[in-house]
Formats: sequence, C-alpha cells, structure tokens
Amino acid sequence: QLVLTQSPSASASLGASVKLTCTLSSGHSNYAIAWHQQQPEKGPRYLMKLHSDGSHSKGDGIPDRFSGSSSGAERYLTISSLQSEDEADYYCQTWGTGFWVFGGGTKLTVL
Amino acid sequence: QVQLQESGPGLVKPSQTLSLTCSVSGGSISSGGYYWTWIRQHPGKGLEWIGYIYYSGSTYYNPSLKSRVTISVDTSKNQFSLKLSSVTAADTAVYYCARHDPYGDEPDHWGQGTLVTVSS
Repeated sequence: QLVLTQSPSASASLGASVKLTCTLSSGHSNYAIAWHQQQPEKGPRYLMKLHSDGSHSKGDGIPDRFSGSSSGAERYLTISSLQSEDEADYYCQTWGTGFWVFGGGTKLTVL
Repeated sequence: QVQLQESGPGLVKPSQTLSLTCSVSGGSISSGGYYWTWIRQHPGKGLEWIGYIYYSGSTYYNPSLKSRVTISVDTSKNQFSLKLSSVTAADTAVYYCARHDPYGDEPDHWGQGTLVTVSS
C-alpha cells in the first residue's frame, strides 16, 4: 500500500529558506507527486507536480521562490525568501489508476 | 482558465444522502484525460480523497467510503456530482471538487470548497 509520510511541522525565519520532505513508501519511489498549499481558512492551492527525476511543473502564478526536487523516494518542496503568507499547511499527494493518496501535511510556521 | 465551484445543501440530516454538484467553467468536462475528483477535509484535519470519475466514465472510490459513494457526470451541464448515502456526524466536512491531469503536466484546479454539516 502506497503511503506518503510528511513531518507534522516545520518552522523557519522570515526571509530564510525551508525544505519540506514527502517520503514515498517502499516500492513506490518512481511515483510523481503534487504539492498543495493550504493557507489558514482557505482551500488548497496547487503548487506543482514533481516527478522522480526532479522535473516539475508549477501552477499558474506560483512564485519562483517555490521549487521542487527529488532523491530516491523523497520529494522535496523548497521555499526560499520566506514570506509571512507562506505560513500554511503543505500537502503532498500522489495518484494512480484507482487511487489518490495524501500525505498527512506539514504545518509551516514562519518565525 | 478552468474554474470549479461546488454547490449543494450546507446541512444534511443523519441517515440521509449528501448531494453536491461541481460546476466547471473555462473548459469542457468531456475533454479527455482528466480525473474529476472529490476530496473532503474534516474540521482541523487533513485531506481525504473520496473518489474520482475519469472522462471515460470509469469511477474509482476510496475503499473506506466505497459502499456509500456515487460520482457521476452530466456533460450537458458541464458538471459532475457526488452522492454520499447514510451520512452521520462523521461526514461533517468541507467538500472540495478538483480537476487532475494524471498523465500530463497540466496543473490541478480546485474548487473553493463547501462546508456540509450533518445534524438533525
């Protein structure tokens, strides 16, 4: 069974960078994922699709400060030059024929 | 620009059927290759996939909800719908619809979500 694992929380200072991790369960390291951002009291917003080779395609209007990378079963979301509005929950998600799976989400606090 | 908008009753009584519609604008629901998807979020919790319908009409559901869920498409209205039967208070959540491109790199599009409360 495919499981996505995320740390429940992360924090970084205003203007700094942070790297969030999403780990695919054993045997599923070739899966692409998507990253979604959910700001407080808002619906999710698609950030990007991220493939196992690290290539990624971002949604319309997503700033260059957001980037993705991959290593083995790990999928990363890096946010540079952190701004206050980046404080949000970040979910990774993957899919296949007959299923969608979400990670538990990482709550990012901007200090 | 594709936009999705959920609509339906905000209050449903226990044991009844929850019915929601997602209206799609800026693109045809008949165009190939997309998963038209329902997701929900319990208060203060993470995201839970409910199911999706593929453009071919094939449907796939979360095994934990499969016995109670039906997703269908109305191409004439450019809408797709969710029905969840025999609801309980545990089905109280914000319900989202979304369009997903499983084979290409088109971005996902989400609706803004609608809160459904199950209460007598």
